[in-house]
Amino acid sequence: EAGVTQFPSHSVIEKGQTVTLRCDPISGHDNLYWYRRVMGKEIKFLLHFVKESKQDESGMPNNRFLAERTGGTYSTLKVQPAELEDSGVYFCASSPDRLRETQYFGPGTRLLVL
Amino acid sequence: RKEVEQDPGPFNVPEGATVAFNCTYSNSASQSFFWYRQDCRKEPKLLMSVYSSGNEDGRFTAQLNRASQYISLLIRDSKLSDSATYLCVVKGLTGGGNKLTFGTGTQLKVEL
Repeated sequence: EAGVTQFPSHSVIEKGQTVTLRCDPISGHDNLYWYRRVMGKEIKFLLHFVKESKQDESGMPNNRFLAERTGGTYSTLKVQPAELEDSGVYFCASSPDRLRETQYFGPGTRLLVL
Repeated sequence: RKEVEQDPGPFNVPEGATVAFNCTYSNSASQSFFWYRQDCRKEPKLLMSVYSSGNEDGRFTAQLNRASQYISLLIRDSKLSDSATYLCVVKGLTGGGNKLTFGTGTQLKVEL
């Protein structure tokens, strides 16, 4: 079974540019999560989709971040315009349903904003 | 105060040693508890869930003390391959039922 995949693996952009990260969850997983780890800090929750609906977006830092999951399959996270403090590793995770708690993480996208 | 606190280490131990990691969490309403393992520049992977009764998986034993809001992980007979960062993770009612809250991780280095 294929795991969670993320694209790109790395992205280097300049401040003010736009970047879009993509996550493909494990097939059949309705729950999709975005997390972020900035340098020297712990991994922090950004938001949670159940199918195409945003269940919890309490961790989204500001309105420069836009997450979508049209059709309830893959998800995108767009940062526009990117700022220096957005640099970090963005992880996506998926789980089948609320009762089965294990969240399976993708390899992450390393974002560097210069 | 951080929601999940861990000693960042590093813990440098010889192969074959027993090592213990501790973690405390601040939200008494937290429902589920986990240890994840993260290798350098890799994604976190679930090591084991943690239950109040304590649970064991081979060389790994996890304990939860809800009264003290304290979680532990014991690794016996350490192997070189155990070298990694161990993340204490809590899931519960803080802002949403499925959200995972991570500690900063404890780094373990097992040496020859």
